[in-house]
Amino acid sequence: DVQMTQSPSNLAASPGESVSINCKASKSISNYLAWYQQKPGKANKLLIYSGSTLQSGTPSRFSGSGSGTDFTLTIRNLEPEDFGLYYCQQHHEFPLTFGSGTKLEIK
Amino acid sequence: EVKVLESGGGLVQPGGSMRLSCAASGFTFTDFYMYWIRQPAEKAPEWLGFIRNKVNGYTTEFNPSVQGRFTISRDNTQNMLYLQMNTLRAEDTATYYCARGRFGGGFLFDYWGQGVMVTVSS
Repeated sequence: DVQMTQSPSNLAASPGESVSINCKASKSISNYLAWYQQKPGKANKLLIYSGSTLQSGTPSRFSGSGSGTDFTLTIRNLEPEDFGLYYCQQHHEFPLTFGSGTKLEIK
Repeated sequence: EVKVLESGGGLVQPGGSMRLSCAASGFTFTDFYMYWIRQPAEKAPEWLGFIRNKVNGYTTEFNPSVQGRFTISRDNTQNMLYLQMNTLRAEDTATYYCARGRFGGGFLFDYWGQGVMVTVSS
């Protein structure tokens, strides 16, 4: 199985700041990497797929980069609604696997 | 509006069985792959399996971690998705999510349900 390692596990920032979340795959997954947002009481949201393609409805302050084994989710100009949990997921091969998550909190 | 809504969770004894249901609405159900994913408390999500769409013959794929114990089926007349879980173990305790496969494919999940809790305990 492809192991997905996210860092940091916790992150604190203020509205208006920019943050980056990293995801490392245990083997090359080309650009088959997605990012999801999870918030209490709300359905999980697909933000980005194929490394850098924004899912319809994802604000442009979100961006994804990387290929091979190393990927980054960057959120610029943080809004209050951006705080929550973020997971990466490889969609290169079965079994599909997720990262361990990054909790983005308000500083 | 696209909606998926799980039901059927609860407490089950080790070794027991449980069937989860997922009601889908707001889209042409037969056009989409449908997925099950679970997430133990404070842990990462785990993909369990999926069932393909009509064009791809409604075939299934599973995570080896549950292959042989879990099955996925769909009732396309009722827009319902099912997860049959057998020989349940304590480590199957989790919140279980139904999700629609992203329009356009890619083994991605573009609409998720709110999840249903399954607890395996004596």
